[in-house]
Amino acid sequence: KQEVTQIPAALSVPEGENLVLNCSFTDSAIYNLQWFRQDPGKGLTSLLLIQSSQREQTSGRLNASLDKSSGRSTLYIAASQPGDSATYLCAVFRGSEKLVFGKGTKLTVNP
Amino acid sequence: DADVTQTPRNRITKTGKRIMLECSQTKGHDRMYWYRQDPGLGLRLIYYSFDVKDINKGEISDGYSVSRQAQAKFSLSLESAIPNQTALYFCATSGGLGIDTQYFGPGTRLTVL
Repeated sequence: KQEVTQIPAALSVPEGENLVLNCSFTDSAIYNLQWFRQDPGKGLTSLLLIQSSQREQTSGRLNASLDKSSGRSTLYIAASQPGDSATYLCAVFRGSEKLVFGKGTKLTVNP
Repeated sequence: DADVTQTPRNRITKTGKRIMLECSQTKGHDRMYWYRQDPGLGLRLIYYSFDVKDINKGEISDGYSVSRQAQAKFSLSLESAIPNQTALYFCATSGGLGIDTQYFGPGTRLTVL
């Protein structure tokens, strides 16, 4: 059974800091891995999707990497801003069309 | 206008009542999903549908049923609501063969008293 773990569960940083969020998964047989952002009371917004054949994806200040062999992904946020405060969720696609989610990392960026 | 909409956004009901949560999408996607989110447990898949004639159970389907009325509409029903079904419910859609991202609705906060 695929399990996805995100560490840390919560993170508080000062504005401007570069930071890394971690995601690990137990079964390396995945189609892709996605990072989502969830704001309080709102739905999930897809940030980055990495196909299993890719090593990383970038969008603006965000960079996500994938190492299937070790079952790990990281989300790097450069020059963090208060508007980045949210919960970040990692999810992996298994062969059965199912997204398996981690429990998320709650990020707070302090002005 | 939002691509994936859910109604109602908030619902309080009593134990034993039947309720329906509705999801509509304008993305033209074939695949639709229902998830629930609980504090400390993350998101879990309830049901998913690849097209109007295809319905599949997720990991926590007991106590729930679904109806795919059209490509754009996917409803989740709780036949007899119970308090441990209190959660945040999300509908999502995707268009690809497991390689496309999923697009989520804003969620329905359901409270069962």
